[in-house]
Amino acid sequence: AQTVTQSQPEMSVQEAETVTLSCTYDTSESDYYLFWYKQPPSRQMILVIRQEAYKQQNATENRFSVNFQKAAKSFSLKISDSQLGDAAMYFCAYRSAMIKAAGNKLTFGGGTRVLVKP
Amino acid sequence: DTGVSQDPRHKITKRGQNVTFRCDPISEHNRLYWYRQTLGQGPEFLTYFQNEAQLEKSRLLSDRFSAERPKGSFSTLEIQRTEQGDSAMYLCASSQHRDGGDTEAFFGQGTRLTVV
Repeated sequence: AQTVTQSQPEMSVQEAETVTLSCTYDTSESDYYLFWYKQPPSRQMILVIRQEAYKQQNATENRFSVNFQKAAKSFSLKISDSQLGDAAMYFCAYRSAMIKAAGNKLTFGGGTRVLVKP
Repeated sequence: DTGVSQDPRHKITKRGQNVTFRCDPISEHNRLYWYRQTLGQGPEFLTYFQNEAQLEKSRLLSDRFSAERPKGSFSTLEIQRTEQGDSAMYLCASSQHRDGGDTEAFFGQGTRLTVV
């Protein structure tokens, strides 16, 4: 079974600064997807960024970028130019790409709370 | 398209009562997932449907839990004889499964259950 670990329960960042969230995972599969989801207080979870394991290039979405290290099974998220609206819980998640994988369900880490100071 | 909607948003019930939650996925999505999220934790997979067929259930889904998706559209999750340990946020998500893979999963706002 796959596991996802987020070792930072909470991170604080000054507005306009950069913060990096850590995520490690364990899997025996070679093909999979990794995601970062954002969950603002009392609002639904939304996808921030995704990475296909077969791609060496790190994904980027505007101010959000990842550092994907497949051999180390590490998948960190960098938030640049942090804004007050970035304050939320951030979850790292894994999804198998195997065709027979059960429904392509997501396996989540425990989350990191990001606080943005004005 | 209004996204994934869940009803109710909040539910307080007494221990031993039955509760039912509803999820309406994005209309063209054929896959629907239920997750449970306890305070301070990440969501955990409970079960999923492809159209009306329930294809997998987690070991977390005890005999007191049942889920249905009768016409391949909305889904219900029922918990019988609720226990305090059932208190959690119940999240629904949907995605579109195609031969080439799945689209991203879209989540609802969840139903927060409190068992007193």
